[in-house]
Amino acid sequence: DAGVTQSPTHLIKTRGQQVTLRCSPISGHKSVSWYQQVLGQGPQFIFQYYEKEERGRGNFPDRFSARQFPNYSSELNVNALLLGDSALYLCASSLVRSSGGASDTQYFGPGTRLTVL
Amino acid sequence: GQSLEQPSEVTAVEGAIVQINCTYQTSGFYGLSWYQQHDGGAPTFLSYNALDGLEETGRFSSFLSRSDSYGYLLLQELQMKDSASYFCAVNSGYSTLTFGKGTMLLVSP
Repeated sequence: DAGVTQSPTHLIKTRGQQVTLRCSPISGHKSVSWYQQVLGQGPQFIFQYYEKEERGRGNFPDRFSARQFPNYSSELNVNALLLGDSALYLCASSLVRSSGGASDTQYFGPGTRLTVL
Repeated sequence: GQSLEQPSEVTAVEGAIVQINCTYQTSGFYGLSWYQQHDGGAPTFLSYNALDGLEETGRFSSFLSRSDSYGYLLLQELQMKDSASYFCAVNSGYSTLTFGKGTMLLVSP
């Protein structure tokens, strides 16, 4: 079975530009979450989507937005890019939204490395 | 707020056993997960504890004490390929993970 896939793998943008990152979850998974990981830190939660609706949002500015499509794939958009947005953006999928059990386990994709110049 | 504390770096030799501790303070708690991440790669799921006690998966074991807000990951029979960063993460509901800053494990011959 294919794991979580993300595109593109690498991206270079300049300050002020906009970027769209894409994610396809594991087949059968309905929950997709986005994380930002800066160098030397753990991933930080940005968004969670379940059944095409936003179910959770981390402490990120409104420049960050996302959506989930009927096939459960997802896009993360970042507007007005800042140098500090340079990071590895990770997408994770899970079977369910929230059960507290093992089925809530999140599986990560390889990430998109965004560099803002 | 939520915070997790884990050592920044641990070193060990091949064949040894190493324990990576994690203490947490969170407003919501469903369980504690552990992930492994090699340089530049995706975090890979290792283990999950929702209840107190020990979970064993091959060479890796994970322990949780909810009353102490404490857990650890135990790696046995260390191999060079185990050199990586290890993250504990609290599942605080709605598939939201809060990660620690990670522990870099260096395994030497």
